[in-house]
Amino acid sequence: GAVVSQHPSRVICKSGTSVKIECRSLDFQATTMFWYRQFPKQSLMLMATSNEGSKATYEQGVEKDKFLINHASLTLSTLTVTSAHPEDSSFYICSAMGQGNYGYTFGSGTRLTVV
Amino acid sequence: DAKTTQPPSMDCAEGRAANLPCNHSTISGNEYVYWYRQIHSQGPQYIIHGLKNNETNEMASLIITEDRKSSTLILPHATLRDTAVYYCIVRGNNAGNMLTFGGGTRLMVKP
Repeated sequence: GAVVSQHPSRVICKSGTSVKIECRSLDFQATTMFWYRQFPKQSLMLMATSNEGSKATYEQGVEKDKFLINHASLTLSTLTVTSAHPEDSSFYICSAMGQGNYGYTFGSGTRLTVV
Repeated sequence: DAKTTQPPSMDCAEGRAANLPCNHSTISGNEYVYWYRQIHSQGPQYIIHGLKNNETNEMASLIITEDRKSSTLILPHATLRDTAVYYCIVRGNNAGNMLTFGGGTRLMVKP
């Protein structure tokens, strides 16, 4: 079945630094990838939708200059949290949808802690 | 996408069937019902989806009412590893329609 690999699974960074999270589709080509954020005891909130080769579409309230998304190939999307602050600490999850496939596969998530 | 309503939490005894309800009274004709679950600190896992007919796979059964305004996910023999948050989501089946997560139901399977 479709597998999405997300890396790293856990990262701790200092305030003001940037962190890059990778999301790879291992056995299929992902034309569209979604990035979600989840705070403790809350549901997943969609941050942005990225399509290969084009700019990401951000949800209302999500700062595009802070959360940089790159989807340069059909198997890789990256989310970079720039100038991270403690309030950016969260669980970030990617999801990929393949060509002609209307199902979604999720990565295992990245726990970001900003200290 | 249509909104869904689920009970925030449920308990189930190990080995018994877990029946998780979902209301989606504003669902439109071309929208499917999807179920995902999220085990603590992991990404969501696909369980099953359906349009109007009942569906069954190796994980669960999905019962959709005739008017499609509600559905029930059935885990026939719940195990401790089924403890998770279960999300009922309705969406169109067009490419690009994202999944919008509601609050879900926190299922606790007890020994």
